[in-house]
Formats: sequence, structure tokens, C-alpha cells
Amino acid sequence: GAVVSQHPSRVICKSGTSVKIECRSLDFQATTMFWYRQFPKKSLMLMATSNEGSKATYEQGVEKDKFLINHASLTLSTLTVTSAHPEDSSFYICSARDLRQPYEQYFGPGTRLTVT
Amino acid sequence: AQSVTQLGSHVSVSEGALVLLRCNYSSSVPPYLFWYVQYPNQGLQLLLKYTTGATLVKGINGFEAEFKKSETSFHLTKPSAHMSDAAEYFCAVRKYSGGGADGLTFGKGTHLIIQP
Repeated sequence: GAVVSQHPSRVICKSGTSVKIECRSLDFQATTMFWYRQFPKKSLMLMATSNEGSKATYEQGVEKDKFLINHASLTLSTLTVTSAHPEDSSFYICSARDLRQPYEQYFGPGTRLTVT
Repeated sequence: AQSVTQLGSHVSVSEGALVLLRCNYSSSVPPYLFWYVQYPNQGLQLLLKYTTGATLVKGINGFEAEFKKSETSFHLTKPSAHMSDAAEYFCAVRKYSGGGADGLTFGKGTHLIIQP
């Protein structure tokens, strides 16, 4: 149980275009999902907290107009990287909190974004 | 605010030897602590967690960690290393903002190398 999927697993896009990444909890409901960014050989950095039915909460230094987050249902959150640039290339990982186990987060497999 | 420090970006041990990965934390509130493992180009898998109660926590794959408040430490150990343990390991502490739904602050990670 407690499986989180991400789609796509890899995406290459041209500079200036927008890319949407989906995060789904497959077998549980998640009122809260989190988006992290991982640079090569670096740790994960929390970008934002996604709450179902309300606006996301962004960490300091993260541009909310650049990284649009939508959490329209209890099983789906999306991250849209708008007007992507090469410096946005990174590994994006989402996690979801199971309502029944509030102290745990289940992580997705990640999405590798490359902006050319 | 919460923070995590992992000592040693790389740790190398021989197969069958003791594994010790160090993690120290800083937290203004009682911490919730986690260890995750990440294999190349994959998401994170929870090894174990400490929330409250018993300070010696047992996890999957033979790993365990001990919460020591006096030393602000949560070191990860395994009595006998296996080749399949080679991976990146992250220590994390729950961010706490009072809102009830918080992400994680990660350490920089320790790359575990297992020598045959």
C-alpha cells in the first residue's frame, strides 16, 4: 500500500515552454502533498506544500508564479514549471501524506526535467 | 526552525562490516526524525522513523537508529553491510510551523559505498 506515482518520469523541453508534472496517490487519500527539488548530488529542498482545495504554501525563495501548484482532488497534485529555463533542470520529487498516518510521507519516484 | 547535519558525505565499509551513518539535528520542538534511502534516479524509501516513545527504532533491511536527546543525534546503524545497501541515505526532521501539515528538512545525504 501507500504508493505514489509521478508522471512523466522524464521530460525534456525547450526553454520558454511550460511543463506539467503530476503526482498521484494510488491507494490512499492525501489532503496534503509536498513538492521537493533535488539538484545533482545534493539534498532535497522543500519547495511547497500542496493542500487539497486551497492555495499552496511556498517555501521562502521559491517563486510561486514560476512553479504553479494545483491540488484539485484528494489523490492528485500537479506542479507546472512555467517559462522553463535551463536552470530549472532538476529532479522533482513529490510526496503525499496519508490521512491515516499523519507522521509519514510517501514519496513518488521523481521526475527528471531537462530544459534545453 | 529545524535543521539536520549529516557527518560524512561518503562512507565506505566492507561487506559484512558495521554500518554507521551519523545524523545530528537541531529543533526548537520535540523532533520527529526520519531516515530515507535513495537508489539512483529513484524516489525515497523510508527506512525508519522516530516520533515518540522508544528511542531505539528498528527499520527495514536490518537498519536501526537511536534517538539521543542529550546528544541531539539520530545515527543509523546496521550490524552487517550487504552489497545491496550501497545507496544514498538521507536523515530528515519534520519541519514544524504550527500549521499541522509540514514537510521535511533533509540533511545533505551520505553516500554509502560497500566494498567486497
